[in-house]
Amino acid sequence: GENVEQHPSTLSVQEGDSAVIKCTYSDSASNYFPWYKQELGKRPQLIIDIRSNVGEKKDQRIAVTLNKTAKHFSLHITETQPEDSAVYFCAVNTGGFKTIFGAGTRLFVKA
Amino acid sequence: EAQVTQNPRYLITVTGKKLTVTCSQNMNHEYMSWYRQDPGLGLRQIYYSMNVEVTDKGDVPEGYKVSRKEKRNFPLILESPSPNQTSLYFCASRHDRGFSYEQYFGPGTRLTVT
Repeated sequence: GENVEQHPSTLSVQEGDSAVIKCTYSDSASNYFPWYKQELGKRPQLIIDIRSNVGEKKDQRIAVTLNKTAKHFSLHITETQPEDSAVYFCAVNTGGFKTIFGAGTRLFVKA
Repeated sequence: EAQVTQNPRYLITVTGKKLTVTCSQNMNHEYMSWYRQDPGLGLRQIYYSMNVEVTDKGDVPEGYKVSRKEKRNFPLILESPSPNQTSLYFCASRHDRGFSYEQYFGPGTRLTVT
């Protein structure tokens, strides 16, 4: 079955710096790659997603890149702010209805 | 307001006492799913449903049951809970077609089995 690995598990950056989180997957049939943000004590919420026919997508300070050949995708956050501090999860839809999540990255943005 | 609701939000129970966690959505979504969240393991899918009367196993279905008799409701049933089912549970829903497969999550149910 599909396996999703997410790195790093913890990331600490200075306010204003960039943060990059990477995920790799194993099933080449996977076709949808969302990123969710979960603040402490709250539910996960989608922040950006990308389909397998697109290589990059950007939404203000957040971008996602996808390399289908290498089976990895990354979340890029520029000009980080303290409110970006949260746990970020990548996920993969396996072409059907299953969704596999990465283990999460706890991001700390120091003011 | 478009939302996914879960009840109860918190539950402490004892081993073997059957329980049900309800999930309801008002967005007319075809797809609904249950996840459990444990530290260091992310969210793991328990069961999902593509539409009424259509359900399938996720990655960790052992010890759980689901049913989908109505489009808006997708209850999670623990027939004989055990301590290893202590976890934070999330229900989620989305459309099964269209440009985005964004999942909308409920507020979570924190379950403790002693």
